[in-house]
Amino acid sequence: GESVGLHLPTLSVQEGDNSIINCAYSNSASDYFIWYKQESGKGPQFIIDIRSNMDKRQGQRVTVLLNKTVKHLSLQIAATQPGDSAVYFCAENNNGTASKLTFGTGTRLQVTL
Amino acid sequence: KAGVTQTPRYLIKTRGQQVTLSCSPISGHRSVSWYQQTPGQGLQFLFEYFSETQRNKGNFPGRFSGRQFSNSRSEMNVSTLELGDSALYLCASQGLAGTEQFFGPGTRLTVL
Repeated sequence: GESVGLHLPTLSVQEGDNSIINCAYSNSASDYFIWYKQESGKGPQFIIDIRSNMDKRQGQRVTVLLNKTVKHLSLQIAATQPGDSAVYFCAENNNGTASKLTFGTGTRLQVTL
Repeated sequence: KAGVTQTPRYLIKTRGQQVTLSCSPISGHRSVSWYQQTPGQGLQFLFEYFSETQRNKGNFPGRFSGRQFSNSRSEMNVSTLELGDSALYLCASQGLAGTEQFFGPGTRLTVL
């Protein structure tokens, strides 16, 4: 498969444990944030989004937390599964839509059995 | 509903050549964005087209250009290729709601 980043930070988690992936952003004007998952050989896949008027949003097995004070975003994955192994990116913009996104550098999640 | 398709999937070119990549968005989507992904720079926004007009543009040189057709299909062109243009080029389509972009599998361009 393709390597999307040779020197990505890596998070290694045991199957069944919870994962927390962090992201810092720099633009205080950003008002829309998205988490993407990218598996080898594929394009990024939407996981969950959150707007700046919220500080928490939950999906199926995933939760995104937004702390605007320190410009920090996190993705929590409950009961991590082998299929969750991928590179995770946060993305942001300041126009309230998914247009012209600025992506973070990504974190590689490795799920061990 | 078919996803975003990109052609070709892999391409090898030499320096100085030009290349055209194609993207077909999800049916009904009128917005198409292009991104470049490299190990060093990560994912970077190139441009976005909506209804045949460029709506947003990233910080790439003029060698990178694009267009969109009336059926929403989009092409991007890179002229006078440089080694540093080697990358995965991703296309994403977006519905009218403006949220949630759907990415294609990408075109892997290698410049020798």
